[in-house]
Amino acid sequence: DSGVTQTPKHLITATGQRVTLRCSPRSGDLSVYWYQQSLDQGLQFLIHYYNGEERAKGNILERFSAQQFPDLHSELNLSSLELGDSALYFCASSSQRTGAIQYFGAGTRLSVL
Amino acid sequence: AQTVTQSQPEMSVQEAETVTLSCTYDTSENNYYLFWYKQPPSRQMILVIRQEAYKQQNATENRFSVNFQKAAKSFSLKISDSQLGDTAMYFCAFMAYSGGGADGLTFGKGTHLIIQP
Repeated sequence: DSGVTQTPKHLITATGQRVTLRCSPRSGDLSVYWYQQSLDQGLQFLIHYYNGEERAKGNILERFSAQQFPDLHSELNLSSLELGDSALYFCASSSQRTGAIQYFGAGTRLSVL
Repeated sequence: AQTVTQSQPEMSVQEAETVTLSCTYDTSENNYYLFWYKQPPSRQMILVIRQEAYKQQNATENRFSVNFQKAAKSFSLKISDSQLGDTAMYFCAFMAYSGGGADGLTFGKGTHLIIQP
C-alpha cells in the first residue's frame, strides 16, 4: 500500500459528460502529480500541484483541469469527454523528505462509451 | 524536452537467471533523477530503484541494480536471481529537478518482462 488513495477505482460514463477524479496524498506529502496511461500514448504527465499551487503542466488538454485543496487532496476534472479519454489515471505524491520519489495510487480506470 | 527510450518491448528469461533492461534518455538538464518503476498485472506502479544524476555510484536495492552512464545518457536495470514475481512491465523514467520545484516524470514505453518457471 503506497498510502496514496484514489477514488473511484472505476468510472464508466458517456461522451460529452464531465467527471471528477479524487486523490488523497500520503500523509505529509505536499506535491501531487496526475498521469494518464493509455494504449496509444503510454504514460503521460498531466499536471503537478505543490501545496495548493500549480507547479508544472505536461500534456494536459484544455478540457481537463485540476486543483489541490487546503487539506492537500486533489481533484482532476475531465469535461466534454471523448472516447479517446478512456484510460487509467494515476495520482502520485511526493515530498522533499523522500528525495523526490513519487508514490502512486492504484489509479482510476475511466471508460468513455 | 526530455525523451526516454526503452528499446526492448518484451524480454523473457528463466527463473533464477539475470536479466538487464536497457534505457537511454536525452536531456539538456543538469539536475535530474532517474527511476525504474514496475507495473505488475494489478496495474499498480511500484518504485524499483532511484538514481540521482549527481551521484557517480550506481544505486542498488537487493536483487536490483543499475548501470548509470551519465555521459552516454544510459540507465540500465539489472535483475539478479529473477523470480516469478518479477514478471511485470518495467518503465524507465526521468525527472528534472529545478530550483522552482520538480517536474513530472517522463516515462519510456516500457519493457514487458516475463519470468518463465
